[in-house]
Amino acid sequence: KAGVTQTPRYLIKTRGQQVTLSCSPISGHRSVSWYQQTPGQGLQFLFEYFSETQRNKGNFPGRFSGRQFSNSRSEMNVSTLELGDSALYLCASSYNAPNEQFFGPGTRLTVL
Amino acid sequence: ILNVEQSPQSLHVQEGDSTNFTCSFPSSNFYALHWYRWETAKSPEALFVMTLNGDEKKKGRISATLNTKEGYSYLYIKGSQPEDSATYLCAFPSNTGNQFYFGTGTSLTVIP
Repeated sequence: KAGVTQTPRYLIKTRGQQVTLSCSPISGHRSVSWYQQTPGQGLQFLFEYFSETQRNKGNFPGRFSGRQFSNSRSEMNVSTLELGDSALYLCASSYNAPNEQFFGPGTRLTVL
Repeated sequence: ILNVEQSPQSLHVQEGDSTNFTCSFPSSNFYALHWYRWETAKSPEALFVMTLNGDEKKKGRISATLNTKEGYSYLYIKGSQPEDSATYLCAFPSNTGNQFYFGTGTSLTVIP
């Protein structure tokens, strides 16, 4: 079956702009989690959605938001971009947490 | 915020060597412990999901053990091969199960 897909794969933005990243989970998976990875840091949990509801949010400012649609596809939005938001953003899907997660290829965001 | 630690941070071994790394996690409120392998330019891939104290899981030359009472898990690779070169991550879900805390990983390089 098709894996987790993320679009776009690469993105370059400037400070102050906003960005929307998309994640399509594996068919049948209802849980989608988002992570941020910056150089020298492990994967930092952003949020998790299940059946269109955000169940948990990590320690990130309100500029980071997300949503999940009825088909389980998820988007995350970052407003008022800062240089420090430059990172690899990964999404992962599962039938339901805490089952094993299947990761997408990530979106590499560069903020100039 | 839960503290998940991995050691060593990086490891270089010769092809054919056996190696092991450690993941330490809070021993209270244990839910599960996940191991992932992350190869360069690919997505993290689940290796094991471990749930019971004393669990031992194996996949080919890779195995893992779990001690929930003392809060650690070991990952072993027997007869390392160059294709084992990757970053190995462990992840600890919160007691709600839907927020994962990742270690910073152990970067393994197997020298041919």
